[in-house]
Amino acid sequence: NAGVTQTPKFQVLKTGQSMTLQCAQDMNHNSMYWYRQDPGMGLRLIYYSASEGTTDKGEVPNGYNVSRLNKREFSLRLESAAPSQTSVYFCATRTGKMGNEKLFFGSGTQLSVL
Amino acid sequence: AQSVTQPDIHITVSEGASLELRCNYSYGATPYLFWYVQSPGQGLQLLLKYFSGDTLVQGIKGFEAEFKRSQSSFNLRKPSVHWSDAAEYFCAVGAHTGTASKLTFGTGTRLQVTL
Repeated sequence: NAGVTQTPKFQVLKTGQSMTLQCAQDMNHNSMYWYRQDPGMGLRLIYYSASEGTTDKGEVPNGYNVSRLNKREFSLRLESAAPSQTSVYFCATRTGKMGNEKLFFGSGTQLSVL
Repeated sequence: AQSVTQPDIHITVSEGASLELRCNYSYGATPYLFWYVQSPGQGLQLLLKYFSGDTLVQGIKGFEAEFKRSQSSFNLRKPSVHWSDAAEYFCAVGAHTGTASKLTFGTGTRLQVTL
C-alpha cells in the first residue's frame, strides 16, 4: 500500500513562479491536511479538509490555496512563490474519530524559492 | 488556542541510557496529546497518544509517556535507548473543530545517540 503519496519530492522555484504540490491517499480517509516544517518552528498547519468538497484555513494560510479534488487528492498551490515559502511541506490524512485518531504523513516535498 | 512547548532543542544520550523528552502544553479543555517521531527524510510516525483514562500510555518501540494534568506535561520516556532511536521527536496537542481535528505541534527535540 502506498499510503500518502506526495509529488514532487524536490522543487526549486524562482520568486513569482507558481506551482502545485500534489497529494494522493489510498486509505479512504476523509480528513486531509497540509503542513509546512521549518527549522525551530515545528510543523504548522496551512490548510485542512474535513471531507471532499470542504477546505478550511489553518495557522499559516497566506500565500497558499488548496483544492480537494476528490476523496483521494488534496493539492496545495502557490500562486506567486516567495522566498519565505522555502520549506518542507507535508501532506497528512487522519483516521479515527475523536478519542482514537491518528495522522498518516507523506514523505514530504522540499521546496526552495530563490 | 492550544500550544505546545518542547524546551529541549537537542539531546544527546548514550546507547543503553534512559531517556526523557519534555513536553508542556496549554489547552483550555481536556487535551488530546500525541508524540510523533520523524526519521531523516521521512514524514512523521505516531509513537503514542493520550485521550483519557490511564495517565501512563504505552507506545511503539518501547516508548511510554505520562500525562500530568497538574503540571500540564506529557513527557516521553524510554528505559534504554537504542542507536536507531536517533530522530526528531514532536509533541502535539489536538483540538476538534466541527468534524475535523487540528493538531498543534511543538518545535521538536532532536535526539542524538552515541555508541
